[in-house]
Amino acid sequence: GAGVSQSPSNKVTEKGKDVELRCDPISGHTALYWYRQSLGQGLEFLIYFQGNSAPDKSGLPSDRFSAERTGGSVSTLTIQRTQQEDSAVYLCASSLPNWGSYNSPLHFGNGTRLTVT
Amino acid sequence: SQQGEEDPQALSIQEGENATMNCSYKTSINNLQWYRQNSGRGLVHLILIRSNEREKHSGRLRVTLDTSKKSSSLLITASRAADTASYFCAHGPNYNQGGKLIFGQGTELSVKP
Repeated sequence: GAGVSQSPSNKVTEKGKDVELRCDPISGHTALYWYRQSLGQGLEFLIYFQGNSAPDKSGLPSDRFSAERTGGSVSTLTIQRTQQEDSAVYLCASSLPNWGSYNSPLHFGNGTRLTVT
Repeated sequence: SQQGEEDPQALSIQEGENATMNCSYKTSINNLQWYRQNSGRGLVHLILIRSNEREKHSGRLRVTLDTSKKSSSLLITASRAADTASYFCAHGPNYNQGGKLIFGQGTELSVKP
């Protein structure tokens, strides 16, 4: 079956512009995550959606970052007034529900490489 | 920061040798996972080990977990050039909370043919 799909795969934008990054999770996966990965670095948690629960936004670096998940499926990460330090690969992942303290394995997309000039 | 650490940051070996990567974490955990990332791609889940397990195998992979030392290791036996990738450990923020995974900085493995 289809995996996690992210679009665009690459995005170059000018400083100060807004960008939208899209994620199509695996069908039936109720959990969805956004991470950011700078060159040669680990993954920085941004936001986590689980079903109809309020999202965990604790990783969003500033109020310029926001994310939505419509109809429990597709998610959009929006970065307003982009800055050069926002340049990174933005990775989306989905998983089956997390029950209690258990962490379901994540399935990742190939990411969107964002370059802010 | 809740983020754990992995060492070494980079490892270069010859084909056929074993590769060992280590991961340390700071909180009590319910389970710990290992992922692999090829250059320019997303991460791929390799193996999950629960807090009540000490060792787990999957093909050429062997994972150990020592909850008293808050550490885990990933061993790849008889490495191949195709194993060249970055390897990350990940865990939940604490024992009682599922959901988001916190990733280490990763170990970059290079296997030379």
